Amino acid sequence: DADVTQTPRNRITKTGKRIMLECSQTKGHDRMYWYRQDPGLGLRLIYYSFDVKDINKGEISDGYSVSRQAQAKFSLSLESAIPNQTALYFCATSAHRGPLQETQYFGPGTRLLVL
Amino acid sequence: AQKITQTQPGMFVQEKEAVTLDCTYDTSDPSYGLFWYKQPSSGEMIFLIYQGSYDQQNATEGRYSLNFQKARKSANLVISASQLGDSAMYFCAMREGRTRGTGFQKLVFGTGTRLLVSP
Repeated sequence: DADVTQTPRNRITKTGKRIMLECSQTKGHDRMYWYRQDPGLGLRLIYYSFDVKDINKGEISDGYSVSRQAQAKFSLSLESAIPNQTALYFCATSAHRGPLQETQYFGPGTRLLVL
Repeated sequence: AQKITQTQPGMFVQEKEAVTLDCTYDTSDPSYGLFWYKQPSSGEMIFLIYQGSYDQQNATEGRYSLNFQKARKSANLVISASQLGDSAMYFCAMREGRTRGTGFQKLVFGTGTRLLVSP
């Protein structure tokens, strides 16, 4: 079973709709992240969370919100989707300690198309 | 200014040959980490290898090695004995040192290099 899972894997929605992308992990990591990937731009950080009570904005947080429901769950919401939010979204996790601390492990990604 | 630069948008290599993917970085922080990820056509991001700024030796993981030249600020990925399954996008990323107060180490990605391995 995958250590980091994302649901849904693919989603098509319309402009103005609210949608939620979910991420779960079984790695026992305390830190979780949401990124988006656009062609030619690499990955950009949307939000990150150190633990359940600690959530921080990344470089492109406008238009997004997050919720850390538990250590293992981190969801990303688009309150009112717009076409330029069409992208590949990744959740990632990392450990605060350990031999590979801060190495981020990614989920399989969610392809989102906003019409 | 770009923190991570990958100057090769695409690379071609024949099966069983070695290939080097370039990555240069920019930081004034003495403590940082460098990562390489592989993204096959299926889309997932797969962690390959890590090099810390204080590591004395170049990192190796199976057929992957990292040619770390600190003075040049380069962290090139070397894939030995290429396989067809190595065809993918490859991303270099950097984690800079601890920011004051939070300890958060942001990961910054390059724009990637597409590697195609031919039979």
